[in-house]
Amino acid sequence: AQSVTQLGSHVSVSEGALVLLRCNYSSSVPPYLFWYVQYPNQGLQLLLKYTSAATLVKGINGFEAEFKKSETSFHLTKPSAHMSDAAEYFCAVLTGTASKLTFGTGTRLQVTL
Amino acid sequence: DVKVTQSSRYLVKRTGEKVFLECVQDMDHENMFWYRQDPGLGLRLIYFSYDVKMKEKGDIPEGYSVSREKKERFSLILESASTNQTSMYLCVLMKRDSTEAFFGQGTRLTVV
Repeated sequence: AQSVTQLGSHVSVSEGALVLLRCNYSSSVPPYLFWYVQYPNQGLQLLLKYTSAATLVKGINGFEAEFKKSETSFHLTKPSAHMSDAAEYFCAVLTGTASKLTFGTGTRLQVTL
Repeated sequence: DVKVTQSSRYLVKRTGEKVFLECVQDMDHENMFWYRQDPGLGLRLIYFSYDVKMKEKGDIPEGYSVSREKKERFSLILESASTNQTSMYLCVLMKRDSTEAFFGQGTRLTVV
């Protein structure tokens, strides 16, 4: 079975500060991993995905994530937060055997002045 | 552009009513999924289907059923709506052996 754990349901950072959103996964087979973002009253939008190529994945809006197999992690980072980054972020895992996306519970990012 | 269309954006139903949520795709994609999204709980999988007439239970199937008579349409059925089924329902589409997911706009269901 596959699962995803997102540590921290709410994260608050100052504008210009580093953003770090944590995601750990559980999967018995090599996974595909995703980060999605949901802005208020909007649908989910793909930020980036890991599909077994480079372990450091760059996404949209300056976000990136690193796949670390030894730590079963796929943390999302951005060097400098912007007010427009305030949203909810979901980590998700997909395995070939299951062919279904399993989502984490989400992390709401707040960016303050 | 792939289109995943959910029949209603907002829906209000009474307790005990039978409710149908429809999802229609305009691509020839095999895999269709129904999730519900609740604050603090993320997206939880209710049911999914890999082909016509096929259905599989997800993580929280209780109180729901599904129908897939045609490849392009995947219906979620609440047999007897209850207040704890008030939620945002999302239809998701994926092509077999692909990692790309397409999301419907969601149906916000309120059961009173």
